[in-house]
Amino acid sequence: DQQVKQNSPSLSVQEGRISILNCDYTNSMFDYFLWYKKYPAEGPTFLISISSIKDKNEDGRFTVFLNKSAKHLSLHIVPSQPGDSAVYFCAAKIETSGSRLTFGEGTQLTVNP
Amino acid sequence: NAGVMQNPRHLVRRRGQEARLRCSPMKGHSHVYWYRQLPEEGLKFMVYLQKENIIDESGMPKERFSAEFPKEGPSILRIQQVVRGDSAAYFCASSPRWDQPQHFGDGTRLSIL
Repeated sequence: DQQVKQNSPSLSVQEGRISILNCDYTNSMFDYFLWYKKYPAEGPTFLISISSIKDKNEDGRFTVFLNKSAKHLSLHIVPSQPGDSAVYFCAAKIETSGSRLTFGEGTQLTVNP
Repeated sequence: NAGVMQNPRHLVRRRGQEARLRCSPMKGHSHVYWYRQLPEEGLKFMVYLQKENIIDESGMPKERFSAEFPKEGPSILRIQQVVRGDSAAYFCASSPRWDQPQHFGDGTRLSIL
């Protein structure tokens, strides 16, 4: 039962353009969402998070949007840089019932110079 | 400030042997989490521990797997009588509080011959 889904296994964009990574979830109890970036042979690195009481959170080049009615969130990276090339994981949790994160399968982002 | 330290980075075991994976959380972090990533999949939650306590082990296989986080020393994930299907990357994460983002180590890649 995949409760967090990233339907695009890969995404390729040109340097300087916007990267949009998408994530859908099925469990309406999820109320906190995170994005992680992962390089090969390394652990995931926390990027940005959003609580369900918000619909947008911005941190530098990274913005996360949450659409609760659609059970959908997205990560926007603008402008994209070659160093952003990595696998991006969406994760969700239910804050009141503990700390376990449920991850999506990941999207490989490639930013071409 | 060192990050989450996992060792060994790579571990090779034969079927039937025991595997011990170690995780030292970031300084000041008393919450530890273990995740497993199978090839081409996202990370799957296994267990959440605080010092000397298992808080949530709902993701742990019922047999052969155990975890501890003693008062002194690293957290240990122990797999007894390993089988081929245990081959995966095992990631440890830590956080200073249960509601803070989790920071990951670089993982232990376990290979079963």
